[in-house]
Amino acid sequence: GEDVEQSLFLSVREGDSSVINCTYTDSSSTYLYWYKQEPGAGLQLLTYIFSNMDMKQDQRLTVLLNKKDKHLSLRIADTQTGDSAIYFCAESGGGQAGTALIFGKGTTLSVSS
Amino acid sequence: GAVVSQHPSRVICKSGTSVKIECRSLDFQATTMFWYRQFPKKSLMLMATSNEGSKATYEQGVEKDKFLINHASLTLSTLTVTSAHPEDSSFYICSARGGPGGYYEQYFGPGTRLTVT
Repeated sequence: GEDVEQSLFLSVREGDSSVINCTYTDSSSTYLYWYKQEPGAGLQLLTYIFSNMDMKQDQRLTVLLNKKDKHLSLRIADTQTGDSAIYFCAESGGGQAGTALIFGKGTTLSVSS
Repeated sequence: GAVVSQHPSRVICKSGTSVKIECRSLDFQATTMFWYRQFPKKSLMLMATSNEGSKATYEQGVEKDKFLINHASLTLSTLTVTSAHPEDSSFYICSARGGPGGYYEQYFGPGTRLTVT
């Protein structure tokens, strides 16, 4: 079945770059997403990338997609303490955008000052 | 951006009672809403897909008679946990498809923490 894998923890110092990695198995996924979840809150859509793109940049966020290896990464430049949260990678199930998403278990990012 | 609200944010109920959770898209129309359940330190598990005006589609293993979903309008979907048991205690999150990004974006509500005693 479809599966999304992420490393569980990442610790960085304030001001450094953070790179969160994700692998997925469904090669027909059309859209891949990054969500942020702060403690006790819902999920905030950070960005998404269409499968025919290799890279997408939005301010401090850079998403890289290697479709051949089914690898997705999220880079956060100049990481701040406010970036501490759980980051979820998700793919659109069945390769159809707008369908329910399949999530990884989330990567807990801890930023120390 | 698109805003999705959930009510209540926290609820504590006794075992055997029913609890209704509302999910609203505040500034856009959502033809499809999704209900997820999140266990501690786990990812989100899709429970059901709710389309306005039709019956919800439940994922395998989710009891439709226990988790009643009603998508009454383009801005409101409700999840009712019937005859709740302590094992139903969880964080329930809804999402709505649509918003400024249109068909390809899903916006999530803030979640409802359910505790069954």
